Amino acid sequence: SQQGEEDPQALSIQEGENATMNCSYKTSINNLQWYRQNSGRGLVHLILIRSNEREKHSGRLRVTLDTSKKSSSLLITASRAADTASYFCATARTGRRALTFGSGTRLQVQP
Amino acid sequence: EAQVTQNPRYLITVTGKKLTVTCSQNMNHEYMSWYRQDPGLGLRQIYYSMNVEVTDKGDVPEGYKVSRKEKRNFPLILESPSPNQTSLYFCASSLKISGGGLNTEAFFGQGTRLTVV
Repeated sequence: SQQGEEDPQALSIQEGENATMNCSYKTSINNLQWYRQNSGRGLVHLILIRSNEREKHSGRLRVTLDTSKKSSSLLITASRAADTASYFCATARTGRRALTFGSGTRLQVQP
Repeated sequence: EAQVTQNPRYLITVTGKKLTVTCSQNMNHEYMSWYRQDPGLGLRQIYYSMNVEVTDKGDVPEGYKVSRKEKRNFPLILESPSPNQTSLYFCASSLKISGGGLNTEAFFGQGTRLTVV
C-alpha cells in the first residue's frame, strides 16, 4: 500500500530557484527518508529525519517533518541543472521491516 | 567503494524461462531487500532478509523466491516469469534493522530492467 504521497508529481523551475516538494503519509512512523533517483538509475539517500525531529539540514537541502499533520517537505535551495531527478519520500514504521515509498516528484531544473 | 551490485542491468526473457538476478553488497550489512518499481506505483517491497538464512515476504512476493546463504549475496529468483513481472528491480541493503523498523539509510543497486515477453 502507498504510505507516502508526494506533491507535486512534477515540478519545473529555473536554475537558481528553490524547489519544494511535499510528502504526506498515513500512519505513525519511526523516521522519514528522502531519496533521489536519476532517470532509470538507483536511488541515492539524501537525508533521514527521525520522528522526534522537526527540521534537518544537509548542504542545500532542508527537510521538515510535522508528525501532527503527517507531512514532510524537502526544500532544495539554489537549484542546479544537476538536481534534475525524481525525488521520493520513504517512511519507516515501527515494527515494519521495509521502507514504504511514494510515487515521487519529478523535478526538472532548466539551465 | 561501498556499493550494492546487481546483475544483469538489462534482461529480456520469455515467459516461463527461469531466471536469477544477483545482488551483492560489500558493506557487511545484515539487512537486504528487493523492490520493484512500476510507473505510478513507486517502489514496492518483494522480499527482505534480516540476516543469513532469514528471509520473509514483502508486499508483493507472488512469483518470486529469494535465498540468503551468505551475508553479502541476496539473489532474486523468478521460477516462471510472466509478462506482469516486467519491471525495474532494485536490491537494497542497510546496516541492520531493529524492532523500531528501518532506522538507517538504505543503499540501492543500479537496478535491473527486466522485460518478459
